[in-house]
Amino acid sequence: DVVMTQSPLSLPVTLGQPASISCRPSQSLVYSDGNTYLNWFQQRPGQSPRRLIYKVSNRDSGVPDRFSGSGSGTDFTLKISRVEAEDVGFYYCMQGTHWPYTFGQGTKLEIK
Amino acid sequence: EVQLVESGGGVVQPGGSLRLSCAVSGFTVSSNYMTWVRQAPGKGLEWVSVIYSSGSTFYIDSVKGRFTISRDNAKNTLYLQMNSLTAEDTAVYYCARQAGGSLDYWGQGTLVTVSS
Repeated sequence: DVVMTQSPLSLPVTLGQPASISCRPSQSLVYSDGNTYLNWFQQRPGQSPRRLIYKVSNRDSGVPDRFSGSGSGTDFTLKISRVEAEDVGFYYCMQGTHWPYTFGQGTKLEIK
Repeated sequence: EVQLVESGGGVVQPGGSLRLSCAVSGFTVSSNYMTWVRQAPGKGLEWVSVIYSSGSTFYIDSVKGRFTISRDNAKNTLYLQMNSLTAEDTAVYYCARQAGGSLDYWGQGTLVTVSS
């Protein structure tokens, strides 16, 4: 199975400051169709996961533009340009290229 | 509006069985790939099983032979039959639609607790 390694696992951030989460898969996520199926999910306290980003950098409808995804190969990043209080929770990367789909361990974002 | 509503969770003894349901509105279950993902208390997410629109099914190794994913097209509902449960199966179970290498719609989850 593809191992997804996230860092950091804990991310204290001051309101209004940027935040960045890294995700490194154990192998390339480029599928035979040329797409890279790397996703980012947000899980607020007590809620189910919500997709933020798909195929590396595509933001879902309704997701604020302060969230952005980037990367290629085996190095991907989720960036929040200015953290707001509603961003508190866990963030997970997930690969959808290789079966079975696998998730990172999760990064806990909290307000400093 | 798309909605996925899980039910059927509860407390069950080790070795027992439980059937989870996921009632879907807003799209057709049988035309999509549908998955179950679980999250043990205080832990991360783990993809468990998928049923393709063709009816093909796949499972992670730890549940193979014990769990069965299925659907009822008339009810537009996804199921997960779980047998021979162990403490390691204790988790919140989410159903989700799998599309384009992603999971785009999720339910609210149902808690399964395996305990004597």
